[in-house]
Amino acid sequence: AQKVTQAQTEISVVEKEDVTLDCVYETRDTTYYLFWYKQPPSGELVFLIRRNSFDEQNEISGRYSWNFQKSTSSFNFTITASQVVDSAVYFCALTPYGGGKLIFGQGTELSVKP
Amino acid sequence: EADIYQTPRYLVIGTGKKITLECSQTMGHDKMYWYQQDPGMELHLIHYSYGVNSTEKGDLSSESTVSRIRTEHFPLTLESARPSHTSQYLCASSQRTMNTEAFFGQGTRLTVV
Repeated sequence: AQKVTQAQTEISVVEKEDVTLDCVYETRDTTYYLFWYKQPPSGELVFLIRRNSFDEQNEISGRYSWNFQKSTSSFNFTITASQVVDSAVYFCALTPYGGGKLIFGQGTELSVKP
Repeated sequence: EADIYQTPRYLVIGTGKKITLECSQTMGHDKMYWYQQDPGMELHLIHYSYGVNSTEKGDLSSESTVSRIRTEHFPLTLESARPSHTSQYLCASSQRTMNTEAFFGQGTRLTVV
């Protein structure tokens, strides 16, 4: 079975705080891809990052960073110095190799207050 | 910026009506998907297509149907809308050749009264 779990339903922080969104996944596949998407109030899902199962290097993009650990089946997302514009629902997702279909976690609603 | 469009953005319709939600993309993507998003935010795949004349049901059972007559167009139809169909419907597309990211439309928020 393939599953993605985002245990944090809602997170509220004050601007400039760092925040980490947790993502734990389950899959029997040895090759798979993990994604993070952002859903602002306008409704569309915006792609943030893709990581394949063979690349465990952490990645940093501006204030965003991702920590992929196969040993714990986790792909956590950290926002440094959060801003009000970061307020959105964030989804972690999994797709098996060749599958194309995304399996989403339940989403984490992040609220950044000024 | 993704070139995938959904219309209408919002739709309120009476029970029993037939509706079609439109989805078009201009990126030449072979793969297209429909996701249903419930009020609790979870996204569930209801239909997908890997090319023209290819459609499959997703993980969540749905009374809707889809068609893929042209690469760029993937409409979703409900023959007889019911209040239980009230939801947000998101269309997405991706390239065939690799596990590239999917691009999403802005969604259609459907309310059946």
